[in-house]
Amino acid sequence: QVLLQESGPTLVKPSETLSLTCTVSGYSVSSGYYWGWIRQPPGRGLEWIASSYHTGNTYYNPSLRSRVTISVDSSQNQFSLKLTSVTAADTAVYYCARHEASYTSGKYFFDFWGLGTLVSVSS
Amino acid sequence: IQLTQSPSYVSAFVGDTVTITCRASQGPTKYLAWYQQRPGKAPKLLIYAAYTPQSGVPSRFTGSGSGTEFTLTINSLQPEDFASYYCQVLESFGPGTRVDIK
Repeated sequence: QVLLQESGPTLVKPSETLSLTCTVSGYSVSSGYYWGWIRQPPGRGLEWIASSYHTGNTYYNPSLRSRVTISVDSSQNQFSLKLTSVTAADTAVYYCARHEASYTSGKYFFDFWGLGTLVSVSS
Repeated sequence: IQLTQSPSYVSAFVGDTVTITCRASQGPTKYLAWYQQRPGKAPKLLIYAAYTPQSGVPSRFTGSGSGTEFTLTINSLQPEDFASYYCQVLESFGPGTRVDIK
């Protein structure tokens, strides 16, 4: 069973950097698949943030690209998210997920998700 | 790609059949996935590639459609099916449909 667990500060001050780590168990992050972050503001819908392959191939939501960095650490079987210059609009539950992105097979989805962590932006 | 879902809210009885529609602004696409999200929980993948059920998903959940219009049908609603449902195409998610108990 593939398990993912988000960790990081739950309260971040405006203008500071939000940093989260996702620890994966039951599957090696270097064995394939992309690894992604999705967020959900309270009471609202889902928004994809970024995804990365273990080789360093990354892609970002254009609306967040200038503030986001995603990276994969195969030695720790983890991947991480950094979001700079946060505002109250970045308050959300942040999920990490395994991301199947295979254009040739028609498979494009997030099949295993972490439980999510609520990050609030407030002074 | 912009996704719309209809209805945004539906109230139904246990045992009813519910149909949710997802429309994409661009197409055709074959990368349509459906998720179920219970309150306070992470989304759960139900269907991918428009009609392929994820392993372990009950057979009462079926996906159909092609091009830019897709449907999730839930037959014989069970108490645990009352949740929100989201469609996804590539990096875009739909706004969601909430299914409540009548």
